[in-house]
Amino acid sequence: EAQVTQNPRYLITVTGKKLTVTCSQNMNHEYMSWYRQDPGLGLRQIYYSMNVEVTDKGDVPEGYKVSRKEKRNFPLILESPSPNQTSLYFCASSPTGLAGISSYEQYFGPGTRLTVT
Amino acid sequence: QKEVEQNSGPLSVPEGAIASLNCTYSDRGSQSFFWYRQYSGKSPELIMFIYSNGDKEDGRFTAQLNKASQYVSLLIRDSQPSDSATYLCAVPSGGYQKVTFGTGTKLQVIP
Repeated sequence: EAQVTQNPRYLITVTGKKLTVTCSQNMNHEYMSWYRQDPGLGLRQIYYSMNVEVTDKGDVPEGYKVSRKEKRNFPLILESPSPNQTSLYFCASSPTGLAGISSYEQYFGPGTRLTVT
Repeated sequence: QKEVEQNSGPLSVPEGAIASLNCTYSDRGSQSFFWYRQYSGKSPELIMFIYSNGDKEDGRFTAQLNKASQYVSLLIRDSQPSDSATYLCAVPSGGYQKVTFGTGTKLQVIP
């Protein structure tokens, strides 16, 4: 089954304790992205990756890191989480068209609800 | 001005009516536009995309694009209670690598 998986689905942690949220897709997609979703603010892009070893900042990258060492995996790292990073996080992937244009639909993972106290 | 704007709603329509959802965008260079549906507690799923000016129909859904006025809309005919969800407008930008979502419009279809 074609899918995007995220782990963990739920996480409660304390300020400053490093954490990693994993994301994996089995569709051989080049493009992967992380979003956070907050009430009233919608989905905001954190980081995206056009392919292995190619990552770039989205609209809200502060406090986050990513890596893309393999095509299928795109982990999100919070080195020192803070309460303002409490949110619902989505990973997504999509194929890319010609010239690196991501012109196709994004497939979203089930989401990770993170609470930082 | 936000890059992608939607009325947050809720938009309430009776069952069987037409629901009209609107989205405006600021980047005149945007070429493709996507509508996602998100049920409460679930992840977004694509329902429509449109590239060209005019209308695109898919079942009960019609996407309308007007590049001159920089808006894209989604019409849902014969609305059903199962259509009750938040509808997100998404617009690729920044060289088509970044994707900006609107805040979403919550639709409630009243039986």
